[in-house]
Amino acid sequence: DVKVTQSSRYLVKRTGEKVFLECVQDMDHENMFWYRQDPGLGLRLIYFSYDVKMKEKGDIPEGYSVSREKKERFSLILESASTNQTSMYLCASSFPSGAFTGELFFGEGSRLTVL
Amino acid sequence: AQTVTQSQPEMSVQEAETVTLSCTYDTSESDYYLFWYKQPPSRQMILVIRQEAYKQQNATENRFSVNFQKAAKSFSLKISDSQLGDAAMYFCANSTGNQFYFGTGTSLTVIP
Repeated sequence: DVKVTQSSRYLVKRTGEKVFLECVQDMDHENMFWYRQDPGLGLRLIYFSYDVKMKEKGDIPEGYSVSREKKERFSLILESASTNQTSMYLCASSFPSGAFTGELFFGEGSRLTVL
Repeated sequence: AQTVTQSQPEMSVQEAETVTLSCTYDTSESDYYLFWYKQPPSRQMILVIRQEAYKQQNATENRFSVNFQKAAKSFSLKISDSQLGDAAMYFCANSTGNQFYFGTGTSLTVIP
């Protein structure tokens, strides 16, 4: 079974703190994604990576950065957390389009609260 | 931009009954996938069912089936013989290339 593991299920941080959210997948997927999930807004793409050291901005990249030094690991960084970044963060991975069926595999999510 | 619309924020169904969740999408692509994902209260999103746009036959997975109307850009999910474990948030999604587009979700309650 594909496993996507997010390092923290629940985090509480202070405004201005630097926050790292880690995601590891064990299926050798090329693509990895970070989404933000808010009630009534669905899933919004923050960043997407299609290969090591490669990244593309999604719909809401402001206030976030990412790092992909190894194929299996994709990190989301909040350089200076703000209260409006309180949310559920979902990591996902997939094979590239054209390979298999393009299905996304999700982690369990990281619930971040910024005080 | 591609959009996916779920017009029913909340739905409820009696246990053992059938419920249909609606989804419409907008894309100019000819080659794409459509998905329904389920997010139970434990929060991990899992795939329920998948439809390739080039296939005319509607996908079916046990109690879950879709009604794919390509011309109308409609992709509804039917859950038959609803069970308590079906209670979850359901997201419709459209995939083109490496990009995925999600609806805002429908929260399904199953009434015992």
